[in-house]
Amino acid sequence: DAMVIQNPRYQVTQFGKPVTLSCSQTLNHNVMYWYQQKSSQAPKLLFHYYDKDFNNEADTPDNFQSRRPNTSFCFLDIRSPGLGDAAMYLCATSGRGGALETQYFGPGTRLLVL
Amino acid sequence: GIQVEQSPPDLILQEGANSTLRCNFSDSVNNLQWFHQNPWGQLINLFYIPSGTKQNGRLSATTVATERYSLLYISSSQTTDSGVYFCAVSRGQNFVFGPGTRLSVLP
Repeated sequence: DAMVIQNPRYQVTQFGKPVTLSCSQTLNHNVMYWYQQKSSQAPKLLFHYYDKDFNNEADTPDNFQSRRPNTSFCFLDIRSPGLGDAAMYLCATSGRGGALETQYFGPGTRLLVL
Repeated sequence: GIQVEQSPPDLILQEGANSTLRCNFSDSVNNLQWFHQNPWGQLINLFYIPSGTKQNGRLSATTVATERYSLLYISSSQTTDSGVYFCAVSRGQNFVFGPGTRLSVLP
C-alpha cells in the first residue's frame, strides 16, 4: 500500500544535541510538509517542499531546518533542541495540486528532550 | 492570516448517538479537509470538501463556502469514533488547522 512513513516513532534527545527526523513516501507526491503538534494543540505547519522548492513559514524558528534529497525522502533537522521543542512531528504529502489536494499524514515522531 | 474556529471543543456521547461538529473560517479558502486523530496520534483523512456535501458510511460533511463554515455529521457513533476531529483550511499553500473537537464515545 502506498503510504507515508516516519522513523523513528519515538526519539529521545538531550538539550542542545542535534537531532534528525525522517519521512519517506511511496505516493510519488510532489509536496511534502512538516508540522509540529504540541500536547493538546492543533498541528502547526513548519515548512513545505513543492518538488525541490522550499517554503518556510514566517514564524518557524531558525533552529528548524529541512532537506529533501529526492522525491521520496524529507528530513527535519533540529539544530539545538530546547525543552520547548518536545512535541509530535508530523510529515504529510499531497499531489501536484498542492494545497488543492488531499493531504496524507504519516504516523508521526514523538520527540522528547531531556 | 486566516482564523479557524471549531465547536464544540469537547463532546461526550453515548454509543449510538448522532452528533454535528462545526468549523468556521474567517476568509475564503481553496481547500478544506476534515481529519480524525486517533489516540495514537495518527491523522486520518475523512473528507476533502472545499464545497458541497459528501458522505462516507456513517460520516457526512457539508461545506457552505459562501458562508464560511463546514459541518461534520457522525451518525450512530461507536467507541472507535473517539479522538480529536480537526478541520484544516488553506489559501495558497499554507494550511491552518482549527483547534479541534475532542469526542468521547462511551459504551
